[in-house]
Amino acid sequence: KAGVTQTPRYLIKTRGQQVTLSCSPISGHRSVSWYQQTPGQGLQFLFEYFSETQRNKGNFPGRFSGRQFSNSRSEMNVSTLELGDSALYLCASSLEPTGFGPYEQYFGPGTRLTVT
Amino acid sequence: AQSVTQLGSHVSVSEGALVLLRCNYSSSVPPYLFWYVQYPNQGLQLLLKYTSAATLVKGINGFEAEFKKSETSFHLTKPSAHMSDAAEYFCAVIRIGSGSARQLTFGSGTQLTVLP
Repeated sequence: KAGVTQTPRYLIKTRGQQVTLSCSPISGHRSVSWYQQTPGQGLQFLFEYFSETQRNKGNFPGRFSGRQFSNSRSEMNVSTLELGDSALYLCASSLEPTGFGPYEQYFGPGTRLTVT
Repeated sequence: AQSVTQLGSHVSVSEGALVLLRCNYSSSVPPYLFWYVQYPNQGLQLLLKYTSAATLVKGINGFEAEFKKSETSFHLTKPSAHMSDAAEYFCAVIRIGSGSARQLTFGSGTQLTVLP
């Protein structure tokens, strides 16, 4: 089974621009989560989507948004980029828990965003 | 709120020596805990998970972790380090919210160096 894929792998943008990142989950996984990883703040939760609905949101400004399509693929968008948005953005997918305990999240390779 | 604390941001061991990476959790209810590994320029790979089925959990690549409620710990061990184990390791706890919303909260990570 193919893993979580993210495109593009690397991006360089200028401050003030916007960017869209894409994530394709593992086949059959309907929950998609996004995380931001920076050296200073570590790994931080952005949001989670399930069945095209945002189910959970982290503590990030409204410039960060996302969506999920009917095939479970997800995109996240960052508008009006700031230098501090430079980070590795990770997408993770998981199954829905149907019994004992939640299913683990599987991560993609990430998109490295550099804002200049 | 559930959280995890990783003691030691950097750990160095000799090849063949015991690996011990420490993680303590803070939770008012039995938590679901995970260990992930991240190699340079890659995403996170799941090593193992604890879901209360057994206190000693075996994972991939020879790693295992023991859940100790009395110590609120979930330390990761490997009897004999290999050069390929050099990476950053993250302990994480999952929070389940309303409507099965979920998010991972990560520790700050431990960089493992394996010396020849």
